[in-house]
Amino acid sequence: DSGVTQTPKHLITATGQRVTLRCSPRSGDLSVYWYQQSLDQGLQFLIQYYNGEERAKGNILERFSAQQFPDLHSELNLSSLELGDSALYFCASSTGLAGANGELFFGEGSRLTVL
Amino acid sequence: QQQVKQSPQSLIVQKGGISIINCAYENTAFDYFPWYQQFPGKGPALLIAIRPDVSEKKEGRFTISFNKSAKQFSLHIMDSQPGDSATYFCAARRYNFNKFYFGSGTKLNVKP
Repeated sequence: DSGVTQTPKHLITATGQRVTLRCSPRSGDLSVYWYQQSLDQGLQFLIQYYNGEERAKGNILERFSAQQFPDLHSELNLSSLELGDSALYFCASSTGLAGANGELFFGEGSRLTVL
Repeated sequence: QQQVKQSPQSLIVQKGGISIINCAYENTAFDYFPWYQQFPGKGPALLIAIRPDVSEKKEGRFTISFNKSAKQFSLHIMDSQPGDSATYFCAARRYNFNKFYFGSGTKLNVKP
């Protein structure tokens, strides 16, 4: 168990809808990262937050947004969903800004299916 | 563009054999190169990592070989076991940009 909690584990929705994925980082971790993993694809970096502030941005679509709250949990909002948004969405956390020892701790992911 | 290129996409090895997965990168600003292991239904977990000032790191049956001049690094799994069957991701970190870049993954199947 990595200590990172993601909810929901599975989500099925329709095109055009909006969903929110939630992540609770490991106790004490200030950095939260969001990654997208499509079928048989690698991990695509979306966005990173550190102690409530956005610190790095990857290939995140404008239809997607995220935030980190004062209690350090994070939410990834996906709107105007398209079929191609179907993927596993992982949250990871680390102790420091870019991983004190370079280690990211991943949750088990939220599997989004858009029909 | 893909910052870290990983090969092969899939690999089948007999029990007791050596599994080798390769990665290449372009950006010399990367300062840390981890390998992650992912079992079905689970998130990736750190397996082993290396910094560019070291050419090799070994932990049990797992070894990273790092070639700074060629900008390549590889994971060797000695005496591969069926329990090693998983997807392996190489990655590279660019510290000042707070980013980790992942390879596309290698699905390893170790046959008994």
